[in-house]
Amino acid sequence: LAKTTQPISMDSYEGQEVNITCSHNNIATNDYITWYQQFPSQGPRFIIQGYKTKVTNEVASLFIPADRKSSTLSLPRVSLSDTAVYYCSSRSYNTDKLIFGTGTRLQVFP
Amino acid sequence: DGGITQSPKYLFRKEGQNVTLSCEQNLNHDAMYWYRQDPGQGLRLIYYSQIVNDFQKGDIAEGYSVSREKKESFPLTVTSAQKNPTAFYLCASTSDFPSNQPQHFGDGTRLSIL
Repeated sequence: LAKTTQPISMDSYEGQEVNITCSHNNIATNDYITWYQQFPSQGPRFIIQGYKTKVTNEVASLFIPADRKSSTLSLPRVSLSDTAVYYCSSRSYNTDKLIFGTGTRLQVFP
Repeated sequence: DGGITQSPKYLFRKEGQNVTLSCEQNLNHDAMYWYRQDPGQGLRLIYYSQIVNDFQKGDIAEGYSVSREKKESFPLTVTSAQKNPTAFYLCASTSDFPSNQPQHFGDGTRLSIL
């Protein structure tokens, strides 16, 4: 059974780097790994997406090892506004449907 | 500005009542999805539609129904058969299916039982 697992919660302080890791067992060989950010009472919003190695954009970096069975979202120098729930998603090798992790609640303290 | 609009933002259901949640997109996307979100459980797929006049059951379709008569609209009906409907419902879309493009989400409808 395909499963995407991530930590339930993490705490950090402003200005620190935060790394959130997700495990993707049975990930499809040709599928991307995507991370979303969700604030209360809003829909998830796309943060970053990658297939392998490292991807960086203006808000985050995504590290994917060669076996692609995990991924790590890196948020540099977090601020209070980064307090949110972060979801990873990928597609299982035997289904066309996306599988979302259960979400990691990040709390940033001043 | 393109996006997905869900309405209403809050909805209350009486026992034995069917309610319909609206989802409209102006992104010209072929594929649309409905998810249910419960605390600590992430997103679970209810139904999805790859194209107009087509839809398939997701992982938790029992007690729900959908239609896809127009490309831009994908309403979800929560029927009286759904015994635990209290949740946050999210609609999403992608340009095609299956897609490696990120999903675009609406801002959800929160459904509660009276």
